[in-house]
Amino acid sequence: QVQLVQSGAEVKKPGTSVKVSCKASGYTFTGHYMHWVRQAPGQGLEWMGWINPNSGGTVYPQKFQGRVTMTRDTSISTAYVELSRLRSDDTAVYYCARDQGLGYLPDYWGQGTLVTVSS
Amino acid sequence: DIVMTQSPDSLAVSLGERATINCKSSQSVLYSSNNKNYLAWYQQKPGQPPKLLVYWASTRESGVPDRFSGSGSGTDFTLTISSLQAEDVAVYYCHQYHSTPYSFGQGTKLEIK
Repeated sequence: QVQLVQSGAEVKKPGTSVKVSCKASGYTFTGHYMHWVRQAPGQGLEWMGWINPNSGGTVYPQKFQGRVTMTRDTSISTAYVELSRLRSDDTAVYYCARDQGLGYLPDYWGQGTLVTVSS
Repeated sequence: DIVMTQSPDSLAVSLGERATINCKSSQSVLYSSNNKNYLAWYQQKPGQPPKLLVYWASTRESGVPDRFSGSGSGTDFTLTISSLQAEDVAVYYCHQYHSTPYSFGQGTKLEIK
């Protein structure tokens, strides 16, 4: 069965960076894009971009360009998202989500990683 | 950018009754080339990640009970739960994957009356 297991919670200071991992199993990692979506406490969902694990190609919305980097390590079926120059409003649960493959649509989601940015 | 607006923000329905959630996009999410609406619905329960319920506006994801149905086209969409069960208490989000940046509605909180 498809599983996405993310790394544990992080506490970071403003201005620093955080890197979250997402280990995939139960399917061919390079066969499906991987999305990243975040959710601030008590708020809605915000799409951060996707990575093509096969080519390494990425698409980021303008809001995050210059601050977000998505990478992957195909040898261990793991995707990563790194967010730099953290601010307090980056405090959120960060989710990885596998693309369904029919359109750019997440189907299976990881359990989420809480990133808290606080001085 | 496409803005997704859901209504209502919250909804209380009696067990066994129908629940209806609406979603409006600021631009059409219909691709004329394949006549598909790039609109999905997710269910999120507290402390859990979202779960995909419906895609292409009206196609139910495998394993989703048939009391959940999606309809609509272009800019106006609806998620209907035909007979509310206790386990349906959750926040529901519509999502457009027509064009980047992909976006979600603000969510509709569904409770039992």
